[in-house]
Amino acid sequence: EVQLLESGGGLVQPGGSLRLSCAVSGVTFSSYAMTWVRQAPGKGLEWVSSISGSGVSTYYSDSVKGRFTMSRDNSKNTLYLQMSSLRADDTAVYSCAKALGALSQMGLDSWGQGTLVTVSS
Amino acid sequence: EIVMTQSPATLSVSPGERVTLSCRTSQSVGNNFAWYQQKPGQAPRLLIYGASTRATGIPARFSGSGSGTEFTLSISSLQSEDLAVYFCQQYGYWPPWTFGQGTKVEIK
Repeated sequence: EVQLLESGGGLVQPGGSLRLSCAVSGVTFSSYAMTWVRQAPGKGLEWVSSISGSGVSTYYSDSVKGRFTMSRDNSKNTLYLQMSSLRADDTAVYSCAKALGALSQMGLDSWGQGTLVTVSS
Repeated sequence: EIVMTQSPATLSVSPGERVTLSCRTSQSVGNNFAWYQQKPGQAPRLLIYGASTRATGIPARFSGSGSGTEFTLSISSLQSEDLAVYFCQQYGYWPPWTFGQGTKVEIK
């Protein structure tokens, strides 16, 4: 059974930084692209960032480009999202999700429960 | 960027009825299209990928159809446990990978 477990969320002041982690088990981690999706309270799903299985290719939404960095450590089966210059509109539950395969197969077949990031003074 | 238009925003349906949800993309995405179900307080669950392939463990009452720019998710006979928000997603023209706004299915 594939399991994804996020950690690292919390309350941060505007302009601050936070690093999210996503520990993945039950699958050959390096074989799959991974994605971060966020959901603001009461809102829909918003794609944030994706990374190839090797970690060589990363992509970001315009809303986070230049502020967030996605990476992965395939030796530790762990995904990361380094967030900086955080703004109030970054407040959301951040979930990691596993793709069906490569970046071109971005149906997301396994999801974590998410970690809440609250940006507020 | 592909713009997703999902309809309706809310649907109120009696148990046993057939439900049809729609999603339109602003450009063709082939059959690179998925549907997700999100129940209150839970993570989204993949229902359909490749526009029409049911994901592992998804009941046969869920079916997907369409290609290009028009896609449909059908629930043949609504069960009470199908109360949820349903999201569509395209992965044929990226980045970005984009989601629809969601359709909330309520039980009458």
